[in-house]
Amino acid sequence: GENVEQHPSTLSVQEGDSAVIKCTYSDSASNYFPWYKQELGKRPQLIIDIRSNVGEKKDQRIAVTLNKTAKHFSLHITETQPEDSAVYFCAASDEGNTPLVFGKGTRLSVIA
Amino acid sequence: GAVVSQHPSRVICKSGTSVKIECRSLDFQATTMFWYRQFPKQSLMLMATSNEGSKATYEQGVEKDKFLINHASLTLSTLTVTSAHPEDSSFYICSARVRGSGYTFGSGTRLTVV
Repeated sequence: GENVEQHPSTLSVQEGDSAVIKCTYSDSASNYFPWYKQELGKRPQLIIDIRSNVGEKKDQRIAVTLNKTAKHFSLHITETQPEDSAVYFCAASDEGNTPLVFGKGTRLSVIA
Repeated sequence: GAVVSQHPSRVICKSGTSVKIECRSLDFQATTMFWYRQFPKQSLMLMATSNEGSKATYEQGVEKDKFLINHASLTLSTLTVTSAHPEDSSFYICSARVRGSGYTFGSGTRLTVV
């Protein structure tokens, strides 16, 4: 089955700096790679996703890159703000009738 | 967008009792529901997959007799934690795939067993 590794587990950045979180996956059949932000006690909130037919996707300060050959994808947050502080999860699936497999999460702290 | 309604949001129960968690798809038919458990400061771990009209499939290490899953209709899946113990205290959340739109999540249930 799919295995998703996520690094780093914690990340502290100064406000205004960029943050990068990286994930690798094992199943070459996976073709859907979402990123979630989760507040304590809340459901995961989708912030961006990418499918295997593209290599990069951007939405304002957030971007995701995908390298299918190397089986890794990354989340980039630019101009970080204190409200970006949260736990971020990457995930992967083949978008069949299969579940998302999550990475272990990254606790991002943006220091004002 | 596709919404999954999950209830209850919080429940406190006594050790040895059972608790039922419901996930209802409001504006689409969820033939499959994924059930996750999340312990504090950990990731979402898949417990089981429920399929409408058939038996659920459980992940390794998840006791099927303890975590009863029922998916009797295209819009309702339930998870019953039987004979709950303090170590079952966790955040339980359901998810369904929405064709062409990724996955949608319930709002989660915080279970505390005392």
